[in-house]
Amino acid sequence: LAKTTQPISMDSYEGQEVNITCSHNNIATNDYITWYQQFPSQGPRFIIQGYKTKVTNEVASLFIPADRKSSTLSLPRVSLSDTAVYYCLVVPSGSARQLTFGSGTQLTVLP
Amino acid sequence: EPEVTQTPSHQVTQMGQEVILRCVPISNHLYFYWYRQILGQKVEFLVSFYNNEISEKSEIFDDQFSVERPDGSNFTLKIRSTKLEDSAMYFCASSELGLGPTDTQYFGPGTRLTVL
Repeated sequence: LAKTTQPISMDSYEGQEVNITCSHNNIATNDYITWYQQFPSQGPRFIIQGYKTKVTNEVASLFIPADRKSSTLSLPRVSLSDTAVYYCLVVPSGSARQLTFGSGTQLTVLP
Repeated sequence: EPEVTQTPSHQVTQMGQEVILRCVPISNHLYFYWYRQILGQKVEFLVSFYNNEISEKSEIFDDQFSVERPDGSNFTLKIRSTKLEDSAMYFCASSELGLGPTDTQYFGPGTRLTVL
């Protein structure tokens, strides 16, 4: 299972774009990169998933370089309600289905 | 948008008692999961369940734990004899197919279990 490394915490101000980078040097060929968000005392919430290049949805963008050894979650124009823990996960293909969560990045959005 | 629901939101029990945590997965989903998160720690996988059988389980999921789908909508986690260290948030999740990395797991709001 590829290990992920991401910053423990980040601060931002309302209206700014936030980029959270995750490194996963040992990612395997068929692994996908998945990001979840978790608010205090709530379950993780799926944000976005990608394999390579760029993926965008209504919530975020995910940038994955060609070597796939890292990925960047981009949150446009954050608000106070985006304060949460963000987890980067490498999800192996095949029969493995359990998700392995790391410590995540605590994003704090300041007014 | 369909959601995973869990009951109760908070359960307080005495050490040694049995508890049953309940989940209603999203209706067309076929894979079900339990995770737990001890306060201040990581979310940890416990077990996955498909076609009325355990598909995978972690080392945490010992003989004190069991899962069941008693009817067409509920999915339960039973802890037979609770210990203090079982105090945690327990999250249920479900996914549609469980066939690979693009199969997204949707989590419920969790049950906070407090063992006294």
